[in-house]
Amino acid sequence: DAGVTQSPTHLIKTRGQQVTLRCSPKSGHDTVSWYQQALGQGPQFIFQYYEEEERQRGNFPDRFSGHQFPNYSSELNVNALLLGDSALYLCASSLPGQAQETQYFGPGTRLLVL
Amino acid sequence: GENVEQHPSTLSVQEGDSAVIKCTYSDSASNYFPWYKQELGKGPQLIIDIRSNVGEKKDQRIAVTLNKTAKHFSLHITETQPEDSAVYFCAASWEAAGNKLTFGGGTRVLVKP
Repeated sequence: DAGVTQSPTHLIKTRGQQVTLRCSPKSGHDTVSWYQQALGQGPQFIFQYYEEEERQRGNFPDRFSGHQFPNYSSELNVNALLLGDSALYLCASSLPGQAQETQYFGPGTRLLVL
Repeated sequence: GENVEQHPSTLSVQEGDSAVIKCTYSDSASNYFPWYKQELGKGPQLIIDIRSNVGEKKDQRIAVTLNKTAKHFSLHITETQPEDSAVYFCAASWEAAGNKLTFGGGTRVLVKP
């Protein structure tokens, strides 16, 4: 059983560009959350998708947007990249059901903005 | 919103000794507290979690305690081994927040052989 997978593993962009990161949840999981982890810090919640809709959102600007597909995979899009967007972007998936199900994280995509 | 503080930021122990990491949270509505281990170049991996209806939970060499009154919870690792070296994160969430986790700043643990 494959765990959470993310692509690409690494990405280098320049300021002002746009980026799309991808996530495939663990088999049987239908809820996908995205987190940003700056170097030396804990992950920060960006947003969560369930049934192809954004269910919750953290304190991130509208430059951060997402999508969930019918197969539960998800994309994170960031527009007008800033140097401060350089971070490890983590995707986490969880089982359907009640809130506070265990979240399983992928290996992340490391984004460097120059 | 919820705020989680974690101490210490770094912890160095001799192999075989115990390691303790402490976290405090601000929102009394929080009722789910997972702990994650993150190794270099990898995503966080859940090692143990506790819910607010339980005061303590143990899984082999790892245990977590929760004090709801004081709003703090702790991770205890006994008989540490070199493979326990990693960054550990505590987190908290509350039911109305669904699966949104608020993380502490992390503790870098080094187990010296």
